[in-house]
Amino acid sequence: GEDVEQSLFLSVREGDSSVINCTYTDSSSTYLYWYKQEPGAGLQLLTYIFSNMDMKQDQRLTVLLNKKDKHLSLRIADTQTGDSAIYFCAETPGSSSASKIIFGSGTRLSIRP
Amino acid sequence: GAVVSQHPSWVICKSGTSVKIECRSLDFQATTMFWYRQFPKQSLMLMATSNEGSKATYEQGVEKDKFLINHASLTLSTLTVTSAHPEDSSFYICSASTGKGGYTFGSGTRLTVV
Repeated sequence: GEDVEQSLFLSVREGDSSVINCTYTDSSSTYLYWYKQEPGAGLQLLTYIFSNMDMKQDQRLTVLLNKKDKHLSLRIADTQTGDSAIYFCAETPGSSSASKIIFGSGTRLSIRP
Repeated sequence: GAVVSQHPSWVICKSGTSVKIECRSLDFQATTMFWYRQFPKQSLMLMATSNEGSKATYEQGVEKDKFLINHASLTLSTLTVTSAHPEDSSFYICSASTGKGGYTFGSGTRLTVV
């Protein structure tokens, strides 16, 4: 079946790097995403990666994909208080770009001084 | 580009009434739109996939007669919660495929049924 799993909580010190991990089950996934949700708001797409890529970097964000292990991670360098939010890993099962998107449960990132 | 406008942002209604939520793609044509709901402290759950000009496809366990979805044009999809009850109180979010592997989300609607 289609399933995306991620740990529920992560706490890091301000200025350190945050690494949020995610595993998925559908090996035919074409796109994998990281979304950020601040309280009471909609989702904000942070970044996405194609399944034929191993890594993608965008400013403070680095996405690593291990397709063999079906493992996706998001690294946030120099974590700031504004990074406090819930981060959702998501995939689109199958090869269609218009297929439904499956979300993980979300990882709540909290920043301590 | 690729903006989806969702409204209302929040709504309070009496039990037994119906509420309509609109989702509009502002600068692109959205052939396919998706409706999600989110309970407090939980992830988004897909309710249905809405295709322009055809009937929506509902996920298992979602009552199609209670959550009416209409996608009459390439820029508008609506979700109507009929005969709302307190257990329908939730955060509803729509999204649309931009056709290039990305999705754009509405800002969400918080429904409170009293």
